[in-house]
This record gives sequence, structure tokens and C-alpha cells, in this order.
Amino acid sequence: QKEVEQDPGPLSVPEGAIVSLNCTYSNSAFQYFMWYRQYSRKGPELLMYTYSSGNKEDGRFTAQVDKSSKYISLFIRDSQPSDSATYLCAMSVLGNTDKLIFGTGTRLQVFP
Amino acid sequence: NAGVMQNPRHLVRRRGQEARLRCSPMKGHSHVYWYRQLPEEGLKFMVYLQKENIIDESGMPKERFSAEFPKEGPSILRIQQVVRGDSAAYFCASSPGTGGPKEQYFGPGTRLTVT
Repeated sequence: QKEVEQDPGPLSVPEGAIVSLNCTYSNSAFQYFMWYRQYSRKGPELLMYTYSSGNKEDGRFTAQVDKSSKYISLFIRDSQPSDSATYLCAMSVLGNTDKLIFGTGTRLQVFP
Repeated sequence: NAGVMQNPRHLVRRRGQEARLRCSPMKGHSHVYWYRQLPEEGLKFMVYLQKENIIDESGMPKERFSAEFPKEGPSILRIQQVVRGDSAAYFCASSPGTGGPKEQYFGPGTRLTVT
């Protein structure tokens, strides 16, 4: 069993839709939860991060962490064609060299 | 302030040759992480280095792979006697060493193709 599971998609939605991306994990020691966006042939860029449980909002993006269910989500409101990319969740254990454990990524396509 | 730089961006090697991948961290960063991304997979941690020290190499294959981060110059990931299964995108991320795991900034990657 992988430490972090993520549906690879692809997910195709019309412009303006609300997108929900999810990851589940098995290691209860994870304390940092991050979402990265990766455009084709580029490096990942950090979108959102959350420490421990709770919600965090930044513009059109909302990240949620439910540690009791070992489940994290990223919501994108008013999705745009420029949001088309692969979204990777990543997690890390506090104080353990900060190495990141990634999901496989979900490919998102937003069509006009 | 330049971002993380990796070179070459694309590298083609025949089976049995050596591959050297370079990573120049952001200015002021003394910590480097290397990750590998196989086709249709997420990134997998390989090694974590500080200047002149390997801190965590738990993700490195036991044979043929090595990494260094000298006092001067870029970090280098070396793969000896490459095989087709080494074909992947290799990303490095640099960090100032403070601020936790969110403070990793990724380079554009080196895409290695083994023929």
C-alpha cells in the first residue's frame, strides 16, 4: 500500500466549475500537507500548505485536512483554462528531514 | 533573485554510460533535495544534502547512484552505468533549511532518456 494515494484522473471540467481534488494517506505521523501545481515539462510549484488539521483559503483555492479520516482536499472555485495542470499532494513528517512524500498527481483539464 | 537552476534540461545517454545532473540552489540556500519522477508517477524522494554532507539518502538506489553537494559549486546527482529504467525526470529542490517542508523550491528538472 502506498503511503499517499491520489486518483490520477484525468479530470475534465468546464470553465467556471468547482473542482475537488483529494488524497488519502496511511501514515498518521504526517503533519505538513501541501498541494503543488505542475505544468507540463515544468517543476512543481507550491500552491497551498497546511500544518496539522483545518482549512486554509487563498483566493480561489481552499485546502482542507481531516486527520481523523487521513484525507485531504483541494478545492478550486471558478476554475479557469489556465488551471489546467497536474495537481500533486505532498506530505511530510514534522522534524524528519522535511522530505516530501507525494501522491501520483491528478491531471486536470479545464475547457472553455 | 534567480530560481533553482538545473542542467542539462534534457540528457540522452546510451545504456552503460554515466549521467551527471547538476543543481544550483537559490541564492542563500544551503540545502538540496533530489526527487525522481517516473512516467505517470508522482515525485519520489531520493536524497537530502547540506553543503558537504549527505543527511538522508534513504530513497537512493543502493547501486550506481550517488550525490554530492560540495562547498563550492552545484549539487551533482551521478548515475553510473545507466539502464532504461533510469529514464525519468529528475528534480532538485533547494531550501534555506528553516521554515519547514514548505520551503522547498523546485527547479525545472532534467529529463533523462536512456536509449
